[in-house]
Amino acid sequence: LAKTTQPISMDSYEGQEVNITCSHNNIATNDYITWYQQFPSQGPRFIIQGYKTKVTNEVASLFIPADRKSSTLSLPRVSLSDTAVYYCLVGDPNSGGYQKVTFGTGTKLQVIP
Amino acid sequence: GAVVSQHPSWVICKSGTSVKIECRSLDFQATTMFWYRQFPKQSLMLMATSNEGSKATYEQGVEKDKFLINHASLTLSTLTVTSAHPEDSSFYICSAMFGLDYGYTFGSGTRLTVV
Repeated sequence: LAKTTQPISMDSYEGQEVNITCSHNNIATNDYITWYQQFPSQGPRFIIQGYKTKVTNEVASLFIPADRKSSTLSLPRVSLSDTAVYYCLVGDPNSGGYQKVTFGTGTKLQVIP
Repeated sequence: GAVVSQHPSWVICKSGTSVKIECRSLDFQATTMFWYRQFPKQSLMLMATSNEGSKATYEQGVEKDKFLINHASLTLSTLTVTSAHPEDSSFYICSAMFGLDYGYTFGSGTRLTVV
């Protein structure tokens, strides 16, 4: 399983765009990159998933360069409610859900008023 | 979207007693579920993989006789913490995969406090 590396913490002011980068140098060909958000005392929540280039949904964008050794989660115009821990995970979803998912340290994002 | 229901959300028990935590996949079947433990200000640590109809697979360092996992149906997995001690106090979370495009769905977690 590809190991991931993220910054431990980040601060941002409300209304700014936040970019969180994750390194996964030994990502495998069949691996996808998935980002989760976790609030205190809650289970993680799926944010976005991608394989290459760019993926966008209603809450975030995910940028993946051609070599796929890193990825960047972009949160547009953050609000105080975006204060949470963000995890980057790498794995093969086509394994049928059998592939165990291990979490790295995550990035604690603190949004400042 | 897919929902994984976890119950109870919190429990306090006396040292030496056992506690059962339930994890249900709503509106979808989950052949495989995962159980995690999370200590304060730390990341999620995978404890075991729960497989429907077969024995669970435990991660290194996790006592299988202490953390009993039963996955008797395609929608229910249970984690029983046997003879709980204060050091077992933690946040326990389960997860399952709903579909390829949605990653893993996590339960809301169970806060266990052993006194």
